[in-house]
This record gives sequence, C-alpha cells and structure tokens, in this order.
Amino acid sequence: NAGVTQTPKFQVLKTGQSMTLQCAQDMNHNSMYWYRQDPGMGLRLIYYSASEGTTDKGEVPNGYNVSRLNKREFSLRLESAAPSQTSVYFCAIILAGSSYNEQFFGPGTRLTVL
Amino acid sequence: AQSVAQPEDQVNVAEGNPLTVKCTYSVSGNPYLFWYVQYPNRGLQFLLKYITGDNLVKGSYGFEAEFNKSQTSFHLKKPSALVSDSALYFCAVRDPSGTYKYIFGTGTRLKVLA
Repeated sequence: NAGVTQTPKFQVLKTGQSMTLQCAQDMNHNSMYWYRQDPGMGLRLIYYSASEGTTDKGEVPNGYNVSRLNKREFSLRLESAAPSQTSVYFCAIILAGSSYNEQFFGPGTRLTVL
Repeated sequence: AQSVAQPEDQVNVAEGNPLTVKCTYSVSGNPYLFWYVQYPNRGLQFLLKYITGDNLVKGSYGFEAEFNKSQTSFHLKKPSALVSDSALYFCAVRDPSGTYKYIFGTGTRLKVLA
C-alpha cells in the first residue's frame, strides 16, 4: 500500500466522542475517496474529492464530514461517533493518467465505537 | 441506478481446478469494470479492468475476466487455482455518468482447498 497512508490503524471510541481519520498520498493524484467496509455490505462510498478544494457525498455520508485542504490530504471526521459507525475505513486514490484508471487503496483504519 | 451484483458469498474450489467468480452489472452507458482482491487485514489490490476492446482481459497473478455485454457480466476466472488465491474478491464499476464514483459489489470469498 505504498503511496497511501492512513492514520490511525486502530481506534476505539465511546459513543459521542469525535475523531478524525487521516489519509495522505504522495503520488500527486487528484481524486481521493473514503469508503467503509462492513461484512456482507462490500465497500460503500462515504465521500469523495475529485480535486483539491472540492468534495461530494457518496452513498452513506450521514454522520461524517470531510476536508480536502490540499492535494495530498483528505480527512474524514466523525463529530459524534455512534456504534453504527463501527467499521473498517479505507482511503483510496485514482492512479494518474486517466479517469478510467483503477483505484489504489490505503491499508485501512479499524474503528470500534462502544 | 447503477449497481453491481456478486451472487455468491463464497466459492470453494480444489487446488489445481479452474475457478470462476461471478459478477453482473447494471449501468446506463458503457461500463468500466474492475476486479480487486483483498487479503486479510489489508486494503484492496487491483487485479484487472475492462474499459474497451477485447472482451477477454488479463490481469495480475494469472487472473482473467470475460466481459459479456449481452449478459451484462464480467466474471473473474483462473485456469488453475492456488491455495494462495484464497481471499475476498470485489467487482466494481465506474459510474459512467461523468462523476468519479465507483460502485462495488458485496464481495465473494474464494476458498481454495489443498
């Protein structure tokens, strides 16, 4: 997963706490994504950013906010965590060259909300 | 609405036998189709894609996939399965409407038995 880093790798929160998941890429690509992965549900898109300074909602944006302040970083914030947000979160980018290119994923953040 | 279906939650195959992991899609317009593999506690890794051209596409680790427009399918295949192929496989389609969204199936767990 070289090129896309996610922090932290693991996190346990109590209901109502807030936290920010960080994603950074060193490949100078425009498009960045946040997904959550739940058993039997596949990957569901939370938010994506086609370019620096722009963000758009995906399939399951409720309870999340995002920030794309520069080209390298795309953060995902949970303002008031709920048990339903227990999941594995993946950041992804599109490799350069064409908008039809495949996505490249980070190693994931495993979040548990008690 | 665009969608991707992976009808099998799990596929079991004996080592050395051919394997097929099924995927069907529903999109308006030309589909851009992808297969990814996920090993335990890792992010998704790109295997192969179909954008245009030959219906049979070859990818990493000896995998190939056949695009069938009339059946709206993009099944993943390998002539001879290895135990190390055991993993979770995801089919995905890029939304052709001009956004940068990708839609994932729910995943198929492949188990190759020695």
